[in-house]
Amino acid sequence: QQQVKQSPQSLIVQKGGISIINCAYENTAFDYFPWYQQFPGKGPALLIAIRPDVSEKKEGRFTISFNKSAKQFSLHIMDSQPGDSATYFCAASTGNNDMRFGAGTRLTVKP
Amino acid sequence: DTAVSQTPKYLVTQMGNDKSIKCEQNLGHDTMYWYKQDSKKFLKIMFSYNNKELIINETVPNRFSPKSPDKAHLNLHINSLELGDSAVYFCASSQRLIQGYTGELFFGEGSRLTVL
Repeated sequence: QQQVKQSPQSLIVQKGGISIINCAYENTAFDYFPWYQQFPGKGPALLIAIRPDVSEKKEGRFTISFNKSAKQFSLHIMDSQPGDSATYFCAASTGNNDMRFGAGTRLTVKP
Repeated sequence: DTAVSQTPKYLVTQMGNDKSIKCEQNLGHDTMYWYKQDSKKFLKIMFSYNNKELIINETVPNRFSPKSPDKAHLNLHINSLELGDSAVYFCASSQRLIQGYTGELFFGEGSRLTVL
């Protein structure tokens, strides 16, 4: 049973456009919501993360929006670049080191 | 200097064989993990160790046995390999934060296991 549901499965965006990836969760014990970026042949790497006490976090072109009441969070990539083409995973964890990942979104940014 | 290193990077073997994947982290973290990534890229947690103690043991066949000789190492042994075991296995580590939150996971580059 997947504890974090992610959509879309794949996404194609033009260079300069906005990429939006959505995630939803059920377990209200989750208290940490990171996004990981994975390039082919590499391990996932942390991109940006948020805790449920804030509704938005921005780092450069990357923004997480968090809706605690809806149990949803999303990643927005502004001014998407071909170098952003990768697989993106949302994740959620509780305090016991139990990190659960979404199914991943394969993002392609066309030049 | 690689933070989380795992060996081998590629492993091709026959059904029924036994194989091991080794993982080492030099970040001083107290928690290590094994994740399995299938052909559809889904990342599934298998095991989690904290200071050599097993914390998470997902529904994984008992053919899979993790071993943590010290908190910097977490090895994965797989017995009687099956076709369905073909996947990329990722080792990761993290440091539990003071407030009890899980810290950032640092992943190795993965070990691609192919069972023929």
